[in-house]
Amino acid sequence: AQSVTQLDSHVSVSEGTPVLLRCNYSSSYSPSLFWYVQHPNKGLQLLLKYTSAATLVKGINGFEAEFKKSETSFHLTKPSAHMSDAAEYFCVVSAFFGNEKLTFGTGTRLTIIP
Amino acid sequence: NAGVTQTPKFRVLKTGQSMTLLCAQDMNHEYMYWYRQDPGMGLRLIHYSVGEGTTAKGEVPDGYNVSRLKKQNFLLGLESAAPSQTSVYFCATWTSGYQETQYFGPGTRLLVL
Repeated sequence: AQSVTQLDSHVSVSEGTPVLLRCNYSSSYSPSLFWYVQHPNKGLQLLLKYTSAATLVKGINGFEAEFKKSETSFHLTKPSAHMSDAAEYFCVVSAFFGNEKLTFGTGTRLTIIP
Repeated sequence: NAGVTQTPKFRVLKTGQSMTLLCAQDMNHEYMYWYRQDPGMGLRLIHYSVGEGTTAKGEVPDGYNVSRLKKQNFLLGLESAAPSQTSVYFCATWTSGYQETQYFGPGTRLLVL
């Protein structure tokens, strides 16, 4: 069985400051992990994915995440927030042998303060 | 190449009415999924299909039925809508290969009064 916990339901940061969205996971297998972003009234867009290659994963729009097996974490970061980053972010886990079953976190709403 | 499309985009139903949501994909993916998204709960899997003519239950299947008569289409049916089914519904597709990810449609917003 697998699960994912997003530790913050809402994060607010000022424009130009760093972003940290926290995610812990639980999986019986070596997991694949993803971050998806959802802008208001839009569908889900893949930000980045980890599939057992490099532990530091770079995604689109300057986001990156680090897989830490010892801490069972996959936190999302960005050095400098932009107004366009305001959205809902989902951490997602799947079993190693196929991404046919995804388990979603409950989401973190990111607000950017001008 | 449209990817994953969903019809309709928005619908209002009265309790007890029925409707069908259509998901269409042009990527020739084997797997298709229906999720519902509710505030504070992320996405939850309703039903999925691993190929034409197959369907399987997900996490929250009650009150829904699905059919996959053609590989490119996955239909989600509500036989007797209830207010608890007010939600945003997302369709997704996937093809085998551990590097692959799921691709999502734009969503259907359903309000049941």
